[in-house]
Amino acid sequence: DIQMTQSPSSLSASMGDRVTITCRASQSISVYLNWYQHKPGKAPSLLIYGASSLQSGVPSRFSGSGSGTDFTLTISGLQPEDFATYYCQQSYTTPWTFGQGTKVDIK
Amino acid sequence: QITLKESGPTLVKPTQTLTLTCTFSGFSLSDRAVAVGWIRQPPGKALEWLALIYGNDEKRYSPSLNNRLTITKDTSKNQVVLSLTNMDSVDTATYFCAHRLRLFPSHINYFDPWGLGALVTVSS
Repeated sequence: DIQMTQSPSSLSASMGDRVTITCRASQSISVYLNWYQHKPGKAPSLLIYGASSLQSGVPSRFSGSGSGTDFTLTISGLQPEDFATYYCQQSYTTPWTFGQGTKVDIK
Repeated sequence: QITLKESGPTLVKPTQTLTLTCTFSGFSLSDRAVAVGWIRQPPGKALEWLALIYGNDEKRYSPSLNNRLTITKDTSKNQVVLSLTNMDSVDTATYFCAHRLRLFPSHINYFDPWGLGALVTVSS
């Protein structure tokens, strides 16, 4: 199985901050990397697919980059509705695997 | 607009079989580019992919649970059913179903959207 390792596991940030979350795959996955946002009691929602493509309807302050084994999710200008847990997921091969999550909360 | 909703028991006993139904709308599960997957999240833990069924009835299972899982579809009812046998306390989790799209020719694929999830507790 491909292991996905996110860092940090949690972070505290203030409104307007630039936040960066990293995800590392245990082997090369090209650009088969997705990012999801999950809030308690809600359905996870897709933010980024194919490492850097912004899902329709997602604010442009979210961006993704990377290829191979190292990937980054950046939130440029944190908004109140962005406090949530973020997961990366490799879609390169089965079993599809997720990172352990990064919880973003208010400083 | 695509929507999915999970339904099933909230409480099952150890050794019982869990059967969950995903009822969806807004797409047809008859296209090879489309699939429905199941993902679970134990309390306080990360997401774990379980199973996937394509429109052409191809199926994929998590190897760690392969011998306990069965996924089927009823295209006429717009439903996908997941069965997990021999339930144990470690299977306590919120179970999500999600629409899976695969883009051609890149084969980039992703889960979107997801249902709200169904919390299943395993306890005697």
